[in-house]
Amino acid sequence: QQQVKQSPQSLIVQKGGISIINCAYENTAFDYFPWYQQFPGKGPALLIAIRPDVSEKKEGRFTISFNKSAKQFSLHIMDSQPGDSATYFCAASTDTDKLIFGTGTRLQVFP
Amino acid sequence: DARVTQTPRHKVTEMGQEVTMRCQPILGHNTVFWYRQTMMQGLELLAYFRNRAPLDDSGMPKDRFSAEMPDATLATLKIQPSEPRDSAVYFCASGPLLNTEAFFGQGTRLTVV
Repeated sequence: QQQVKQSPQSLIVQKGGISIINCAYENTAFDYFPWYQQFPGKGPALLIAIRPDVSEKKEGRFTISFNKSAKQFSLHIMDSQPGDSATYFCAASTDTDKLIFGTGTRLQVFP
Repeated sequence: DARVTQTPRHKVTEMGQEVTMRCQPILGHNTVFWYRQTMMQGLELLAYFRNRAPLDDSGMPKDRFSAEMPDATLATLKIQPSEPRDSAVYFCASGPLLNTEAFFGQGTRLTVV
């Protein structure tokens, strides 16, 4: 019930391509869905977040798509760049509880 | 430049020794989390606090791990005795509230030999 399932585990994309990472959850009480980006040797940092009152949120090349009925949300990185190579974590929480992270996706963008 | 500060950044210790990791959350943040990151398990939540009170430490092995917030500017995670399987990167994060952005520190890389 508290899990957030993330896929794929790793992703290789060519520069300029679209990177797509998916997450699914069971707990319908979750109402905050952030994505974190982590570079080697650093802590995760918030990339973009969405709440369930909207189906999509875009910030630059990064878009979250949210499907409340399917209990799924995804991160799309348009025009992927080598600098986007990192590990991406989806997460979810309720307004009274902890942030639960997915297992992470290692993205590699090749020139 | 507000940031979460963790010390030490690296720690190598022998099995059976006590290890203490420290975290200074961002001033004004009342929620503090401890996560452990390994290749196999990803980011595991060990414990979290709100207003210095522990809310959930169900992710911690109780027999050897303990987490405290002696004051609003310091959170500690202690392992006694340490074991090789405790080798991981331990992250502290703080946030202004639950259900909002959590700001992570740089982590403490622990190696138990």
